[in-house]
Amino acid sequence: NAGVMQNPRHLVRRRGQEARLRCSPMKGHSHVYWYRQLPEEGLKFMVYLQKENIIDESGMPKERFSAEFPKEGPSILRIQQVVRGDSAAYFCASSPEGMRRTEAFFGQGTRLTVV
Amino acid sequence: DQQVKQNSPSLSVQEGRISILNCDYTNSMFDYFLWYKKYPAEGPTFLISISSIKDKNEDGRFTVFLNKSAKHLSLHIVPSQPGDSAVYFCAASARGQGAQKLVFGQGTRLTINP
Repeated sequence: NAGVMQNPRHLVRRRGQEARLRCSPMKGHSHVYWYRQLPEEGLKFMVYLQKENIIDESGMPKERFSAEFPKEGPSILRIQQVVRGDSAAYFCASSPEGMRRTEAFFGQGTRLTVV
Repeated sequence: DQQVKQNSPSLSVQEGRISILNCDYTNSMFDYFLWYKKYPAEGPTFLISISSIKDKNEDGRFTVFLNKSAKHLSLHIVPSQPGDSAVYFCAASARGQGAQKLVFGQGTRLTINP
């Protein structure tokens, strides 16, 4: 897991607030993937981004969720007007290029709790 | 629609014996498979992978077997060690998707007893 940095590690939000999760990929990696893990479940793909581009957002909920990966700075997953069902662990992974088959390097995750 | 299934939520094995974790998939477009290990409060760590052109891949104590006709793969750990106690996820990806757009199983919690 070394190299993919996520912050914060833990985030508590009240219902209706906004949550911002950050992911800095490994050095030299320009592709970022976000996954969500609900309690007692496997990880579910949310979105795949390259710098300044969303490549695949087929796993993103249609409302309240957005993601970006600007030219400078970390990738951001934003959840607006959070609800209790958004409580989960959110992981990002990075890879050096999009299509080459190699293992993904995951960050340690952000555990979001909505109260 | 669970495309990758790990039907055993938990498995307990004696130290030194073989651990066998199983995974089934339904999507015939999957052509690359991976196993990840996850400790509590940490991200998944890559263990081993296998391409659909192979039926076996070995790395130290870890061996992955792929049976394409049965759409089944398994991870063998031998000999099992206490540090292997963790949750194991199998994952799959399909050609033409992003390399890391993975579909994960629900995980199997492996406990190695001393």
